[in-house]
Amino acid sequence: DVKVTQSSRYLVKRTGEKVFLECVQDMDHENMFWYRQDPGLGLRLIYFSYDVKMKEKGDIPEGYSVSREKKERFSLILESASTNQTSMYLCASSLGTGVEETQYFGPGTRLLVL
Amino acid sequence: RKEVEQDPGPFNVPEGATVAFNCTYSNSASQSFFWYRQDCRKEPKLLMSVYSSGNEDGRFTAQLNRASQYISLLIRDSKLSDSATYLCVVGMRGTGRRALTFGSGTRLQVQP
Repeated sequence: DVKVTQSSRYLVKRTGEKVFLECVQDMDHENMFWYRQDPGLGLRLIYFSYDVKMKEKGDIPEGYSVSREKKERFSLILESASTNQTSMYLCASSLGTGVEETQYFGPGTRLLVL
Repeated sequence: RKEVEQDPGPFNVPEGATVAFNCTYSNSASQSFFWYRQDCRKEPKLLMSVYSSGNEDGRFTAQLNRASQYISLLIRDSKLSDSATYLCVVGMRGTGRRALTFGSGTRLQVQP
């Protein structure tokens, strides 16, 4: 079974703090994704990566950056957390490059920015 | 207009009922279609892919209508365990690896 893990299930941070969210997958998948999920808005793509050190912006990259130094690990960074970044953050991975590929999700991190 | 639209529900149905969800998508270049299931406070998981000819998996049937740009999911003989949010997901041609666009989900509550 594919396993995608995220470093924290719940996180509370203060406005202006730098926040790191870590994601690890154990199936040698090429692609990794970061989404945020908010009520009524569904999942929105923040960034994705299709190879080590490669990244591409998704639909809402502002206020975020990412890092992929190793194939199995994809980090999301909030450079200076703001209250509007309070959300559920979901990491996902997929094996190949096609749009037909299944995405496997981690359990999510609920971030509260005070 | 959202790229993928779903009725948020909730759909409250008794056990054993048949329930259908629809989803519309705006981009005619879309080329792949899925239903994902998300339980309360859990991550989304693939329920089934949707093919042009329609496909069935046990009590679940998915249909695609490209001309009208909508996708449907039919659940027969609903079980309590079917209670969840069902996400309609579309993959766009020409977006390369960025893959999927998610609808905001339809919530189903099956009642005893």
